[in-house]
Amino acid sequence: DGGITQSPKYLFRKEGQNVTLSCEQNLNHDAMYWYRQDPGQGLRLIYYSQIVNDFQKGDIAEGYSVSREKKESFPLTVTSAQKNPTAFYLCASSAGLGTDTQYFGPGTRLTVL
Amino acid sequence: QQPVQSPQAVILREGEDAVINCSSSKALYSVHWYRQKHGEAPVFLMILLKGGEQKGHEKISASFNEKKQQSSLYLTASQLSYSGTYFCGTADSNYQLIWGAGTKLIIKP
Repeated sequence: DGGITQSPKYLFRKEGQNVTLSCEQNLNHDAMYWYRQDPGQGLRLIYYSQIVNDFQKGDIAEGYSVSREKKESFPLTVTSAQKNPTAFYLCASSAGLGTDTQYFGPGTRLTVL
Repeated sequence: QQPVQSPQAVILREGEDAVINCSSSKALYSVHWYRQKHGEAPVFLMILLKGGEQKGHEKISASFNEKKQQSSLYLTASQLSYSGTYFCGTADSNYQLIWGAGTKLIIKP
């Protein structure tokens, strides 16, 4: 079955630690995205990548980093510089940008202790 | 700029109709509609491209008025399964998708 997987589903982090959230897709999509969602809020774009070895900052990139070494994978690192990282993180992919449907993974809920 | 969704929330009885609106201050190339259940990922409903088209499947349909830079989602004879938060995403000529804040829909039996 084609789809997007994210791991872990729940993640707890101590203040000052970096953590990496995994996102893998087997849809052969070129574009991948990371969003942050706070309770009762919409989706805010952190980073997106249109092609391997290239990625662009979204609206709230500060305190986050990404890599795109393989087409299938787009991991997100939440660094200690992110002051308020507790949130629901969603990864998505699409065939291309703009008009193409974005398909979402199940999400990772990150809690800072 | 983030599109504006209205209303912010709506409560319906099963079988009633609902309309959710999405407006942008920028010229739009496409509008995307998704539904999200609590704690889950958003699920794609439909995309509308510029040209003023209307789409629908079963009892959920949508329209896109390019001149007014707005789209509306219509839910007819709502079912309990329609409950959730509805998001619109708008793309301009730069092809970047920007999401609205969402409309929470509660369906009561």
